[in-house]
Amino acid sequence: DAMVIQNPRYQVTQFGKPVTLSCSQTLNHNVMYWYQQKSSQAPKLLFHYYDKDFNNEADTPDNFQSRRPNTSFCFLDIRSPGLGDAAMYLCATSRETSGRGGTDTQYFGPGTRLTVL
Amino acid sequence: AQSVTQLGSHVSVSEGALVLLRCNYSSSVPPYLFWYVQYPNQGLQLLLKYTSAATLVKGINGFEAEFKKSETSFHLTKPSAHMSDAAEYFCAVCPSGGYNKLIFGAGTRLAVHP
Repeated sequence: DAMVIQNPRYQVTQFGKPVTLSCSQTLNHNVMYWYQQKSSQAPKLLFHYYDKDFNNEADTPDNFQSRRPNTSFCFLDIRSPGLGDAAMYLCATSRETSGRGGTDTQYFGPGTRLTVL
Repeated sequence: AQSVTQLGSHVSVSEGALVLLRCNYSSSVPPYLFWYVQYPNQGLQLLLKYTSAATLVKGINGFEAEFKKSETSFHLTKPSAHMSDAAEYFCAVCPSGGYNKLIFGAGTRLAVHP
């Protein structure tokens, strides 16, 4: 089945130690998103790729970076994780065809729960 | 800025009872609206979406939502709750203007008791 895969599902890192989260998709979607969801809160968009074009949200900290080496893969890099970065990180994809944006369903992966010690 | 307000962070219903989860949006132009469900330690799954077609939208698992422009609402309903419906529900809006962005409400946790 076509899907969005996130690895690992659980990641533990130390304060200040760089960490990379991975997302892959078999849907051949042109848009990939990264959301941060803290406990009992709504997901918050960090950034997204529209094809190869990177779009950063204005309030996303510089500590968060992303790479998309090809259509199928997207990575979230946290350069120096702080305790406040502990959260669930959700990857999503969509196939935007309308040109309007946002009308096509976003498909979410199961998430990676990040713990910072 | 567009936003979404979900009334009630926790809703509890009996099995078999009506489920009503409230969502109001703020927008000068009717946006696209979505309801997602999240089970513990899982990603979000789309229940249904409104994209300016029919105002009554039917989704998966027996859920439906009605877009009411006059009330700026998009409430989610299900006639008869099942134990398996217990989860977190998020209403989301995609602002008009051609931008790929979902703005989520704070979520409503639905509990279903026997």
